[in-house]
Amino acid sequence: KNEVEQSPQNLTAQEGEFITINCSYSVGISALHWLQQHPGGGIVSLFMLSSGKKKHGRLIATINIQEKHSSLHITASHPRDSAVYICAVRPNTGNQFYFGTGTSLTVIP
Amino acid sequence: KAGVTQTPRYLIKTRGQQVTLSCSPISGHRSVSWYQQTPGQGLQFLFEYFSETQRNKGNFPGRFSGRQFSNSRSEMNVSTLELGDSALYLCASSLDYATDTQYFGPGTRLTVL
Repeated sequence: KNEVEQSPQNLTAQEGEFITINCSYSVGISALHWLQQHPGGGIVSLFMLSSGKKKHGRLIATINIQEKHSSLHITASHPRDSAVYICAVRPNTGNQFYFGTGTSLTVIP
Repeated sequence: KAGVTQTPRYLIKTRGQQVTLSCSPISGHRSVSWYQQTPGQGLQFLFEYFSETQRNKGNFPGRFSGRQFSNSRSEMNVSTLELGDSALYLCASSLDYATDTQYFGPGTRLTVL
């Protein structure tokens, strides 16, 4: 049983396209995180959300607590956005992290 | 401010051996978490420490253990290594646990032969 489901698993886009990655979870949470992992392994935390919407540059993350769903949007995608994007949730009981399997994004020039 | 550092970066061990990995958090961060990443299972949570106390633990066997020192540096130990322990081990630090953005280190790539 996967507590966190991401879609799509793989995504190829043309430079400049608007991209959406979805994350659904099955547990009550205290926070949801979006992570970015480039080839070579380094992970960067993009957003931490407990409600509403956050924006950083061309990246926007939204969360709907009632529907247990979050989306990560990338506007005007660029080849440097090519990476694996991982959704992670911290349940409000137990407090460990559950991770999605990741979405591999390739942006073609 | 220096980022999270992990040592060693690469390690090769044989089955049955034990290994100790080290993580130095960002200065001022008191929480350290450890994760295992494999191609088959993806990222999985190992444990989380705050102020030298283990706050949370993932679903890993007792061969996996860790500790945190008074300077917030953390170590994790894996005893009686198995082939399936080959993975990238990542640590992340944050100011507090459960409520703050995590900053990840580059990871230690462990290969068990």
